[in-house]
Amino acid sequence: SQTIHQWPATLVQPVGSPLSLECTVEGTSNPNLYWYRQAAGRGLQLLFYSVGIGQISSEVPQNLSASRPQDRQFILSSKKLLLSDSGFYLCAWTYTDTEAFFGQGTRLTVV
Amino acid sequence: QKEVEQNSGPLSVPEGAIASLNCTYSDRVSQSFFWYRQYSGKSPELIMSIYSNGDKEDGRFTAQLNKASQYVSLLIRDSQPSDSATYLCARRRNTGFQKLVFGTGTRLLVSP
Repeated sequence: SQTIHQWPATLVQPVGSPLSLECTVEGTSNPNLYWYRQAAGRGLQLLFYSVGIGQISSEVPQNLSASRPQDRQFILSSKKLLLSDSGFYLCAWTYTDTEAFFGQGTRLTVV
Repeated sequence: QKEVEQNSGPLSVPEGAIASLNCTYSDRVSQSFFWYRQYSGKSPELIMSIYSNGDKEDGRFTAQLNKASQYVSLLIRDSQPSDSATYLCARRRNTGFQKLVFGTGTRLLVSP
């Protein structure tokens, strides 16, 4: 069966510091991968999605970036965090015609 | 107009009642729809998917899709306090890149 791992679970970072969140999927190959962000009390905002290695599409131009160095690995990064980057970050995977399955999420607090 | 819209709630129902959650969408291209449940501080978990017009039942849950009116709904029968959560509606286009877009969610409160 497929599983998705996301870490760390919680993170407190100062403003201006870098960020790296990692997500890996097991038990499948060539999945579509997504990064979402959820601000407190809000819905899921799609940040990035990827249909294959090195193929990244950005939905929201911000100080965040994403990379997919391997088929089942998706990384969200920032060079300098802003207070507004605080939120609950979720990685998800799908196949072409299936529902999305989510990782456990990373709660990021920028202080 | 947002691609997927939901009333933020909260929707309050007594235990044992039917909870009705609604979602509207803005375009008429062929799409699939999903209902997710999200407990506070947790990641969303899939409840149901629906791809064609009509009703789809799974236990206490029934999803309804009406493409002519561009809405999708979720009915929860015999609501339990454990159903208290935020319910997210999502849509995925069936052509091109199948990006998954979510509504903002409806908070459901089931009182004992």
